[in-house]
Amino acid sequence: NAGVTQTPKFRILKIGQSMTLQCTQDMNHNYMYWYRQDPGMGLKLIYYSVGAGITDKGEVPNGYNVSRSTTEDFPLRLELAAPSQTSVYFCASKGRGGFYEQYFGPGTRLTVT
Amino acid sequence: QKEVEQNSGPLSVPEGAIASLNCTYSDRGSQSFFWYRQYSGKSPELIMFIYSNGDKEDGRFTAQLNKASQYVSLLIRDSQPSDSATYLCAVQSNFGNEKLTFGTGTRLTIIP
Repeated sequence: NAGVTQTPKFRILKIGQSMTLQCTQDMNHNYMYWYRQDPGMGLKLIYYSVGAGITDKGEVPNGYNVSRSTTEDFPLRLELAAPSQTSVYFCASKGRGGFYEQYFGPGTRLTVT
Repeated sequence: QKEVEQNSGPLSVPEGAIASLNCTYSDRGSQSFFWYRQYSGKSPELIMFIYSNGDKEDGRFTAQLNKASQYVSLLIRDSQPSDSATYLCAVQSNFGNEKLTFGTGTRLTIIP
């Protein structure tokens, strides 16, 4: 199993540009999550999904959109990038049940200038 | 606003000593508690989880939970330089809520 994979690893965007961060998991997990982590900070939840076709906002959803058309994929769309979106983005997935751990992807380091 | 608070550190501990990491949470109804380790530039990885009051041991790691005091801690015995990392506390509010709230993390440095 590859686990949770994310692409790209690094990206530099200009202000106002758009991009999609890709996330794929091969563990047949129902739950998937997008977090952002700013320097010296913890993880802030952007969006999450409890299954294909179902998504919901997290703590910091503004400026982002998601979709979940399959169990495996959970892309994060940034529209009109702003410097405040400079961060490291982590995708995670989890099986059903409260005690199951969230498995994290390697992250995407995004800089908006 | 449900909050999870940790001392950001850095916490410096001599090699071989016990490192003690602390976390408090505001939601009294929280059910499950997780400790993640994050090396610099890497993604978080789960170290321990606990959901019952008391201690839970796994090798050199012990998680301690006190729901009455809304306090969870992680003890690392016989600290090794490889334990140097940021430790994130995460709280799940209830079993039906599949989201975690993370603290800001404590940076731990083990001094050889």
